[in-house]
Amino acid sequence: AQSVTQLGSHVSVSEGALVLLRCNYSSSVPPYLFWYVQYPNQGLQLLLKYTTGATLVKGINGFEAEFKKSETSFHLTKPSAHMSDAAEYFCAVSDRTNAGKSTFGDGTTLTVKP
Amino acid sequence: DTGVSQDPRHKITKRGQNVTFRCDPISEHNRLYWYRQTLGQGPEFLTYFQNEAQLEKSRLLSDRFSAERPKGSFSTLEIQRTEQGDSAMYLCASSRGQGGETQYFGPGTRLLVL
Repeated sequence: AQSVTQLGSHVSVSEGALVLLRCNYSSSVPPYLFWYVQYPNQGLQLLLKYTTGATLVKGINGFEAEFKKSETSFHLTKPSAHMSDAAEYFCAVSDRTNAGKSTFGDGTTLTVKP
Repeated sequence: DTGVSQDPRHKITKRGQNVTFRCDPISEHNRLYWYRQTLGQGPEFLTYFQNEAQLEKSRLLSDRFSAERPKGSFSTLEIQRTEQGDSAMYLCASSRGQGGETQYFGPGTRLLVL
């Protein structure tokens, strides 16, 4: 069975500061990895994903994440936070051998202070 | 590409009533997923379809829940004899159908059972 742990249910940063949202996963085989963002009362929007190849993945809105197999991690970063980044962020994994259904973490709420 | 749509966006019902939600996926997507999201948690997988075939159901999907995708296009999720514990956001997603493919999420249907 797969699982995802997001360390820190709430993260607060100042505008312009580094954003770091942590994600660790458990999977018997290297999975596909995803980060999604969810704004209030909306569905999830894909920020980036790792399937194969380069372990540093760049996504939308200046976000990037690095797949580290040895650490079973896929942390999300952004060099400089913007007020519009305030939202809830979900890390997810899906099994390469399965249907593509995803297992999600419990989310991290990002607050950006002016 | 008009995105994934869900109807209704909000539903308030009384305990014991039946409710039905609809999801219209992106037109060329052959996979369709249903997830449930409760407050403070990430989405949890309920079921998925490959075209019209329902290929997997989560243990979360009790026998009060039924989902269909009769023509391989839109899907419905019905909850019979609703309980207060069914209150949640019900999310639909679609994808082209291969592992690692991006799942595109709809805005969700928020259900409140009184």
